Amino acid sequence: DAGVTQTPRHEVAEKGQTIILKCEPVSGHNDLFWYRQTKIQGLELLSYFRSKSLMEDGGAFKDRFKAEMLNSSFSTLKIQPTEPKDSAVYLCASRPTGGDTGQLYFGEGSKLTVL
Amino acid sequence: AQSVTQPDARVTVSEGASLQLRCKYSYSGTPYLFWYVQYPRQGLQLLLKYYSGDPVVQGVNGFEAEFSKSNSSFHLRKASVHWSDSAVYFCALSAPGGYKVVFGSGTRLLVSP
Repeated sequence: DAGVTQTPRHEVAEKGQTIILKCEPVSGHNDLFWYRQTKIQGLELLSYFRSKSLMEDGGAFKDRFKAEMLNSSFSTLKIQPTEPKDSAVYLCASRPTGGDTGQLYFGEGSKLTVL
Repeated sequence: AQSVTQPDARVTVSEGASLQLRCKYSYSGTPYLFWYVQYPRQGLQLLLKYYSGDPVVQGVNGFEAEFSKSNSSFHLRKASVHWSDSAVYFCALSAPGGYKVVFGSGTRLLVSP
């Protein structure tokens, strides 16, 4: 079975650019999460979708971060404009709705470097 | 408020030695608790979970964890570590019926030969 697929695995951007990260959840999973992972802050929740509806938009991340679910099998995270402090690994995770709360299935992440 | 604290950022143990990674949580009731592992350049994978019942839960690869309500803890243990156990381990919590999963800051485990 295909797991969560994230592309690209690595992205290098100049300050001020727009970048789009992509995620394909496990087939049949209706819950989708975006996390940002840094050494200092650990895992921070950016957004949460249930059946394509945005349930949480990450509070402090709202101004330059926008996550969308274009359909049940594809999500994007847009960062516009990028800043050096956005350098991090962005993780996508999915879960079947009604499934074990907390048992998330993670992708391998997209490592973003902003110069 | 829900929170998870992993007090040890790094732990080094010798191959074959026993291991304990500490996790303390803050939650008003009895939460769902999890341990995840992250190998280099990979996403997080579930090791084990606790929902209710027997406070000692078994996971994959010989790992187990013990829930203590009185100590608000969920420590991870392994009797004999292998070099391949070197990874980052995350403790996590969620509220029963809730959707949000709160992660600790992680403990980097290094198993030395």
